Amino acid sequence: AQTVTQSQPEMSVQEAETVTLSCTYDTSESNYYLFWYKQPPSRQMILVIRQEAYKQQNATENRFSVNFQKAAKSFSLKISDSQLGDTAMYFCAFGKTGNQFYFGTGTSLTVIP
Amino acid sequence: DVKVTQSSRYLVKRTGEKVFLECVQDMDHENMFWYRQDPGLGLRLIYFSYDVKMKEKGDIPEGYSVSREKKERFSLILESASTNQTSMYLCASSSFLGTSENKGNTIYFGEGSWLTVV
Repeated sequence: AQTVTQSQPEMSVQEAETVTLSCTYDTSESNYYLFWYKQPPSRQMILVIRQEAYKQQNATENRFSVNFQKAAKSFSLKISDSQLGDTAMYFCAFGKTGNQFYFGTGTSLTVIP
Repeated sequence: DVKVTQSSRYLVKRTGEKVFLECVQDMDHENMFWYRQDPGLGLRLIYFSYDVKMKEKGDIPEGYSVSREKKERFSLILESASTNQTSMYLCASSSFLGTSENKGNTIYFGEGSWLTVV
């Protein structure tokens, strides 16, 4: 079975600073997808960034980037130049080819003005 | 844009009532999911469906059932609501991961339905 672990239940960061959210996963699959989702107080869960396991290059979306370490089964999210609108719950997720998704328990991020 | 629409944002039901939560997606996705979200527990999968009339139990199916009569619609049913089913329920949809880039290789969520059982 696949598991996703987020070991930081809560984090905070000063506005304009950089913060890194950790995620580890366990799988025996060789090809899979990894995701970070953001859930702001409005509760709509939205995709932040996606990484395909067969791609060695780390995914980047504007201020969001990942550090994907396949051998270590680690998938951390780095948020640069943090903004107040980044305050949200962040979920790390693993997707198997087909229709299986597994989520971590989330990290609550607060950006402090 | 992909749209996953949950019919009710906030519901208050009495113990023992039958509750229907409806979800519709407009992306022609094969997969649809119902999750329950509780503080500290993350998202827990209740049921998912990979095709019309097909369903699979997730991690916490007890006390719930589902129905998928049309590809775009997936309903969650609480046959006899209990107070421990007070929670936020999230519907989601996806294509088969790795098979359809134009349907988005990710999972899309609705806005959530807050259910309170009193």
